[in-house]
Amino acid sequence: ETGVTQSPTHLIKTRGQQVTLRCSSQSGHNTVSWYQQALGQGPQFIFQYYREEENGRGNFPPRFSGLQFPNYSSELNVNALELDDSALYLCASSRSTSGISYEQYFGPGTRLTVT
Amino acid sequence: KNEVEQSPQNLTAQEGEFITINCSYSVGISALHWLQQHPGGGIVSLFMLSSGKKKHGRLIATINIQEKHSSLHITASHPRDSAVYICAVQGPNTGNQFYFGTGTSLTVIP
Repeated sequence: ETGVTQSPTHLIKTRGQQVTLRCSSQSGHNTVSWYQQALGQGPQFIFQYYREEENGRGNFPPRFSGLQFPNYSSELNVNALELDDSALYLCASSRSTSGISYEQYFGPGTRLTVT
Repeated sequence: KNEVEQSPQNLTAQEGEFITINCSYSVGISALHWLQQHPGGGIVSLFMLSSGKKKHGRLIATINIQEKHSSLHITASHPRDSAVYICAVQGPNTGNQFYFGTGTSLTVIP
């Protein structure tokens, strides 16, 4: 077990709604990265937060936003949900120095279904 | 073209066989990760490499920075090794973005 927790485990939302997913990082880690994994695909990088600021972003629209808190836990918010947002959302925590991440530890994921 | 390519996509082996999974990448990297994902979604980080070779139990990972290539080897494979193995790279040239391969689905038959 990695010490990275995510909530909720599963979630069903309706198209157009908003959702917030949460991630608690492993003790001693200051960086959280979020990934979207569609069924049968590899994970896609959404963004990374380091010391409460966005520190890199993948090819996702602005309706995907995030926060990192002083205790390094993080939230992923998705507005105006679309059917294609249905996926497994993974977070990973790591220890970073000067914004460069070291080995990542993944949480179990949140399975989001948009109907 | 994907920044990270893995081969093979699917692999079936008999218990005890030596297994190799390959990863090639096209971007400059600071580190390469090998990840294991079991059915149900949980991902475990197996290795992070920036050069050379690492070994953990029956798993060995190697990387050749000049050739932009890495391999994951499993010795004496076991049915519990059945999983998807994913290669991922991170930059100085990727802007902290991680690029993932699509994974190699391994099934080890008793």
